[in-house]
Amino acid sequence: AQSVTQLGSHVSVSEGALVLLRCNYSSSVPPYLFWYVQYPNQGLQLLLKYTTGATLVKGINGFEAEFKKSETSFHLTKPSAHMSDAAEYFCAVTPSGNTPLVFGKGTRLSVIA
Amino acid sequence: GAVVSQHPSWVICKSGTSVKIECRSLDFQATTMFWYRQFPKQSLMLMATSNEGSKATYEQGVEKDKFLINHASLTLSTLTVTSAHPEDSSFYICKPFFQDRQETQYFGPGTRLLVL
Repeated sequence: AQSVTQLGSHVSVSEGALVLLRCNYSSSVPPYLFWYVQYPNQGLQLLLKYTTGATLVKGINGFEAEFKKSETSFHLTKPSAHMSDAAEYFCAVTPSGNTPLVFGKGTRLSVIA
Repeated sequence: GAVVSQHPSWVICKSGTSVKIECRSLDFQATTMFWYRQFPKQSLMLMATSNEGSKATYEQGVEKDKFLINHASLTLSTLTVTSAHPEDSSFYICKPFFQDRQETQYFGPGTRLLVL
C-alpha cells in the first residue's frame, strides 16, 4: 500500500526566501509522484509530477522537486517565495495511472512580507 | 482549456434532500472515475472508484446507499448524495482516468456542498 508523509502542517517563510516543503512516500513499486497546490476555496492545481526519467522535475510557478529513491522523498522547492505562493500544498503518490492517488495531509505555506 | 468539468460548482441544500453532482470529461474518454471528498482544513480522501458500465467500489466507511455513483458513459459520471445531512457538507472532487493519458492526473474543479 502507498502512503505519504508531509513533514510540517504549516511552513512560514519570508518573501524572497527559499521554500522547502517535505514529502516522503512509501510504495512497494516505483511510484508516480505529484505535487498539487490548492488556494482557498478552490480546486487542485497540478504543480509538477514525476513518473519516469529525469529525477529533477520542474513545474509551474518556479517550483521544482527531486525524486530521491534512496531517501523515498520528493521534496518541493522554490528558490524565492512570492506572496502569491501562500496556499495549501499536497503531495500525492500512486503506483500507476489507473489507480487512485493517495494524498499527504497537506502543508500550509504562509509567506511573510 | 479545462479537461474535466463539474456541476454545480457549489450547492446549498436543506437536510434530507438529495443532491446530484455531475463530472464530465471534456476531451477524453474516462474508463475509470475516482471520487474524492475534502472536509474543511483536511486532505483529500478517496470515496469510491467506478468503472464505466459497472458498479462502483466504495472505500471503507463510505456508505454506498448514501453516495450513489453512476458511470453510464465514458464522458459522464454522477455522484448523488441522498438524504443529505450537515455532516455531508464537504468539497467533492472527481478525477477521471484516461486510458490514453495514463500519466496525467486531472481533477475536476470540485463541488462545494453545504447542507443546512
